[in-house]
Amino acid sequence: QQPVQSPQAVILREGEDAVINCSSSKALYSVHWYRQKHGEAPVFLMILLKGGEQKGHDKISASFNEKKQQSSLYLTASQLSYSGTYFCGTEQGSNYKLTFGKGTLLTVNP
Amino acid sequence: KAGVTQTPRYLIKTRGQQVTLSCSPISGHRSVSWYQQTPGQGLQFLFEYFSETQRNKGNFPGRFSGRQFSNSRSEMNVSTLELGDSALYLCASSATGAYSGANVLTFGAGSRLTVL
Repeated sequence: QQPVQSPQAVILREGEDAVINCSSSKALYSVHWYRQKHGEAPVFLMILLKGGEQKGHDKISASFNEKKQQSSLYLTASQLSYSGTYFCGTEQGSNYKLTFGKGTLLTVNP
Repeated sequence: KAGVTQTPRYLIKTRGQQVTLSCSPISGHRSVSWYQQTPGQGLQFLFEYFSETQRNKGNFPGRFSGRQFSNSRSEMNVSTLELGDSALYLCASSATGAYSGANVLTFGAGSRLTVL
């Protein structure tokens, strides 16, 4: 079951904040966030494991609401380098399979 | 530490042909996953291999197949190519495939297949 990401696209000015959501109708074991810049490979940002952890990296953080099977990625004080497509990947049980959403295109303008 | 290497990076085929794509994982990684990426569809899971065994597969027709060798290198094959098979095929490796804070997917740059 492919997770649903929202919004599909967002345009920001440098310094603005954004939230990207990822939801699933199935119980989740873990949620992974990746960013892919145009013409490049997806790059790992963070993983959230079952247990409602909130992780952070620099000005990018994420949360995982187990009860709602939802995860949110928070980008604070966005920089030009944050531009790219963000994917959430979900794992339903330890089955060696990450199912990715369709992605959210984030554009940060000067 | 070398990353995930995929070859070829670009290829053009015609309908009905077959294609083989190769993936060399990060040294020490034994799990290899394959994904198909098309505009608007995100990354679609094809299959995952560990120690030469397929442990999971996605919802793709039997024309899509893969294998893994004893050195963890993996290949995927698509037979009887269709126009809709045009896509970026991404390979990703992890140490074991059992994801944790210390074990996540690392993607290669992909093989872009165009079917004419």
